[in-house]
Amino acid sequence: KQEVTQIPAALSVPEGENLVLNCSFTDSAIYNLQWFRQDPGKGLTSLLLIQSSQREQTSGRLNASLDKSSGRSTLYIAASQPGDSATYLCAALGPTNDYKLSFGAGTTVTVRA
Amino acid sequence: NAGVMQNPRHLVRRRGQEARLRCSPMKGHSHVYWYRQLPEEGLKFMVYLQKENIIDESGMPKERFSAEFPKEGPSILRIQQVVRGDSAAYFCASSHRFQATRDTDTQYFGPGTRLTVL
Repeated sequence: KQEVTQIPAALSVPEGENLVLNCSFTDSAIYNLQWFRQDPGKGLTSLLLIQSSQREQTSGRLNASLDKSSGRSTLYIAASQPGDSATYLCAALGPTNDYKLSFGAGTTVTVRA
Repeated sequence: NAGVMQNPRHLVRRRGQEARLRCSPMKGHSHVYWYRQLPEEGLKFMVYLQKENIIDESGMPKERFSAEFPKEGPSILRIQQVVRGDSAAYFCASSHRFQATRDTDTQYFGPGTRLTVL
């Protein structure tokens, strides 16, 4: 059974600082690893999806890396802004099947102005 | 192209009542997934459906919970005789599942239904 862990559970930084969010998974035979953003009381917004054959994905100020052998993914957010305050979830697809996402509990980020 | 739609967004039920949660997938998507997010926990897979078929319900409690995705209309997650422990956010996702492509396809999530059981 795939177990996904996110550390830290919460993070508070001043505006402008770079953010580093960690995600680890127990079974490295995944299809892909996805990062989501969740605002309070809202749904999930997909940020980046890294296929198992890839090492990283970038979108604007966001960069996500994937190291399957060590069971880790890291989300970097450069030059954080107050609007980046949200809960960030990572989710692994697989290994048992290619439709069941296993989510971490999330890292709640607060960016102070 | 409208995204995944869920209604109601908020639902309050008393213990013992029934809760019906609806999910309309993105246009062209025939695969629907339901996840539950308990307070302070990550989302947990419940069930995967295609039109008129339940593919995998391994994450759904054996009693009181059922799901369907009829040929016409939205997917329904039904919870009978709700208890306080059913209070959670229920998210629906949909995908197209292009079998011909090498990469796995993306699940697109709806805004969720927040169920509160009094």
